[in-house]
Amino acid sequence: DAKTTQPPSMDCAEGRAANLPCNHSTISGNEYVYWYRQIHSQGPQYIIHGLKNNETNEMASLIITEDRKSSTLILPHATLRDTAVYYCIVRVTLGKLIFGQGTELSVKP
Amino acid sequence: NAGVTQTPKFQVLKTGQSMTLQCAQDMNHEYMSWYRQDPGMGLRLIHYSVGAGITDQGEVPNGYNVSRSTTEDFPLRLLSAAPSQTSVYFCASSYTGRGSGAFFGQGTRLTVV
Repeated sequence: DAKTTQPPSMDCAEGRAANLPCNHSTISGNEYVYWYRQIHSQGPQYIIHGLKNNETNEMASLIITEDRKSSTLILPHATLRDTAVYYCIVRVTLGKLIFGQGTELSVKP
Repeated sequence: NAGVTQTPKFQVLKTGQSMTLQCAQDMNHEYMSWYRQDPGMGLRLIHYSVGAGITDQGEVPNGYNVSRSTTEDFPLRLLSAAPSQTSVYFCASSYTGRGSGAFFGQGTRLTVV
């Protein structure tokens, strides 16, 4: 499974868009990019995933570059409840998620 | 629909004791896995299973055993607890297919003294 690199921490003002980057330069053609978040030591929560195309759901948008070597998770209107650690994971092996250190996002009033 | 249920939520063990952490899911997911999370760290994969009767090791399997006799249950056994196994343990499950997100339980907080 490809390794990912994320900034350790980021701040975002409440109501503004939060853009969380992830580098995955060794990604293979059949590997998906997944995003999870963990709020205050709760169980991780699935947010979104993608392969090649940009994706959007009720929680977030995922932008994957054309060469697939990096991606950005976008929370369009961040709230205080979005304060969490966000994990970017690249995997091809089913059932096996390898977590990195993630990005600690702090949403401030 | 309960999702992924872990029991117990909290446990204190003495060094050398054994115990089983329970994990059950009611979504008919093929894939289940166990992670541990130490303070200030990310999750590390202990063991995982791609279906009943099939298990494999993750990143940190030493000191832990698993079995998968049914689709619903995936217990994690600590054979002889050590202080280094003090951690929060998470169980997860997911459907077949790379496009499936995993669902996590709320965790078991284990302290070994």
